Amino acid sequence: AQSVTQLDSHVSVSEGTPVLLRCNYSSSYSPSLFWYVQHPNKGLQLLLKYTSAATLVKGINGFEAEFKKSETSFHLTKPSAHMSDAAEYFCVVRKAAGNKLTFGGGTRVLVKP
Amino acid sequence: DTEVTQTPKHLVMGMTNKKSLKCEQHMGHRAMYWYKQKAKKPPELMFVYSYEKLSINESVPSRFSPECPNSSLLNLHLHALQPEDSALYLCASSQGTSGSSNEQFFGPGTRLTVL
Repeated sequence: AQSVTQLDSHVSVSEGTPVLLRCNYSSSYSPSLFWYVQHPNKGLQLLLKYTSAATLVKGINGFEAEFKKSETSFHLTKPSAHMSDAAEYFCVVRKAAGNKLTFGGGTRVLVKP
Repeated sequence: DTEVTQTPKHLVMGMTNKKSLKCEQHMGHRAMYWYKQKAKKPPELMFVYSYEKLSINESVPSRFSPECPNSSLLNLHLHALQPEDSALYLCASSQGTSGSSNEQFFGPGTRLTVL
């Protein structure tokens, strides 16, 4: 079985400061991991993905994530938050069979001016 | 064209109505998905179609009936819904369902309200 835990349900940052969204996963095999972002009343947009290549993954809009197998973590970071980063972020692990996604509970990011 | 489109954007229906949600993609993807997302919750998988055949049904009640007329279209037929079925319904597509790089592309969703 696989699962994903997002350690913070809410994160509040000031514009221009770093953002850290924490994600731990559980998987019985080498996982495929994703971060998606969802702006209010919108669908989900893929930020980045890890599929057993480089452990440091760069995504869109300045986001990156580091896969750490020893810590079973896949934390998302951005050096400088922008007001447009205010949204819900989901860490996701993929089960190969059927391409089924298991979502974390989500982290809502608030960016203060 | 690299997007998934969904219609309508909003839908209000009574418990005795029959309605349909529509999803379309022109990326040549052969897998399509329906998800249900309640407020402040992550999406929950409902159905998976692979090469126009239903491959996964996550024990969804029969009042939800999916249909895949062709490789670009996915419908969700709704009948006799309950107020608790009110949610954002998301469609997604991917190249396939196997392999290491089958990320799913999501549409903007249909916001459904059942009165």
